[in-house]
Amino acid sequence: DVKVTQSSRYLVKRTGEKVFLECVQDMDHENMFWYRQDPGLGLRLIYFSYDVKMKEKGDIPEGYSVSREKKERFSLILESASTNQTSMYLCASSFPNSLAGGTTGELFFGEGSRLTVL
Amino acid sequence: RKEVEQDPGPFNVPEGATVAFNCTYSNSASQSFFWYRQDCRKEPKLLMSVYSSGNEDGRFTAQLNRASQYISLLIRDSKLSDSATYLCVVYNTDKLIFGTGTRLQVFP
Repeated sequence: DVKVTQSSRYLVKRTGEKVFLECVQDMDHENMFWYRQDPGLGLRLIYFSYDVKMKEKGDIPEGYSVSREKKERFSLILESASTNQTSMYLCASSFPNSLAGGTTGELFFGEGSRLTVL
Repeated sequence: RKEVEQDPGPFNVPEGATVAFNCTYSNSASQSFFWYRQDCRKEPKLLMSVYSSGNEDGRFTAQLNRASQYISLLIRDSKLSDSATYLCVVYNTDKLIFGTGTRLQVFP
């Protein structure tokens, strides 16, 4: 079974703190993604990566950065947390499709990290 | 206009009922379509892909209408365990776009 593990299920941080959210997958997937999920807004893509050292901005990258030093690990960084970053953060991984490196459509998600910024 | 739109529900149905959800998408160049299921306080999981000719997996049937730009999910003989949020997902320009989900509650 594919396993995507997020380091923290629940975090409470203060405004201005630096926050690291870690994600590790054990299926040798090339693609990894960070989403946030908010009521009424659904899942929104923050950043994604199709290879080690590679990163691409998603739809809402402002206030976030990422790091992918190893294939299995994709970290999301909030340099200076703000209250509007209170959310559920979901990491996902997938195989690439055979043509263009995009996802096949089947994402394997971690259990999520619920971040509260006070 | 949202790229992917779904009725948020909730759809409250008795066990054994048939229920259908629709989802509309705005980009006519969208390439692939999926339904994901998300249980309360859990992560989303792929339920099924949606093929042009329509496809079935047990009690679940998915259909695609490219002309009208919508996909549908039909659940027959609903079970209590079908209670969840169903997310419509569309793949275009190298990204997956998620709908906000339709909540289904099946009651005894």
